[in-house]
Amino acid sequence: GQNIDQPTEMTATEGAIVQINCTYQTSGFNGLFWYQQHAGEAPTFLSYNVLDGLEEKGRFSSFLSRSKGYSYLLLKELQMKDSASYLCAALDSNYQLIWGAGTKLIIKP
Amino acid sequence: GAVVSQHPSRVICKSGTSVKIECRSLDFQATTMFWYRQFPKQSLMLMATSNEGSKATYEQGVEKDKFLINHASLTLSTLTVTSAHPEDSSFYICSAPPGDKSYNEQFFGPGTRLTVL
Repeated sequence: GQNIDQPTEMTATEGAIVQINCTYQTSGFNGLFWYQQHAGEAPTFLSYNVLDGLEEKGRFSSFLSRSKGYSYLLLKELQMKDSASYLCAALDSNYQLIWGAGTKLIIKP
Repeated sequence: GAVVSQHPSRVICKSGTSVKIECRSLDFQATTMFWYRQFPKQSLMLMATSNEGSKATYEQGVEKDKFLINHASLTLSTLTVTSAHPEDSSFYICSAPPGDKSYNEQFFGPGTRLTVL
């Protein structure tokens, strides 16, 4: 079956760095997304990786290893507004998004 | 980036009534749109794939006759929750990839919060 695993909840300190891991098993693979979702709002796009390696975009970076079925989202210089759920989603061979349950990130002062 | 709108953003209705939710791509054409449902503290659950000019594709366990989907044009898909019940109360979100099927991003609507009394 198809499956996405990510931690349920993480806590970090303002100004620090946090890495949110995601492992996936899908029927075929056409890329991996990270979305940020604040409570009561729709997800917003953060990153898309389809090739191995690290993609950096400001304070956020995303890494992909296709051979390991593994990705992580790295958040630097954490701000209180980064408190949200972070959703990992893989695009399978039918271009259907398979969603993880999300990681709730709590930022403490 | 591209914009997807949803209307209404919030709706409260009585049990047994029907509710229509609209999803529009504002500055691009979307031959495909996705409808998701999200319960509190859970991830998005794909309900159906809306296809312009053809029937929607429903995920297993989603009742076709209860959740009617119509992809009327390249910029509009509607989801009608028929005979709504309290258990249908949820956050409904639509998304659309660009019309050229470059699936490297999906644009989400802001969501519709449905409360059935």
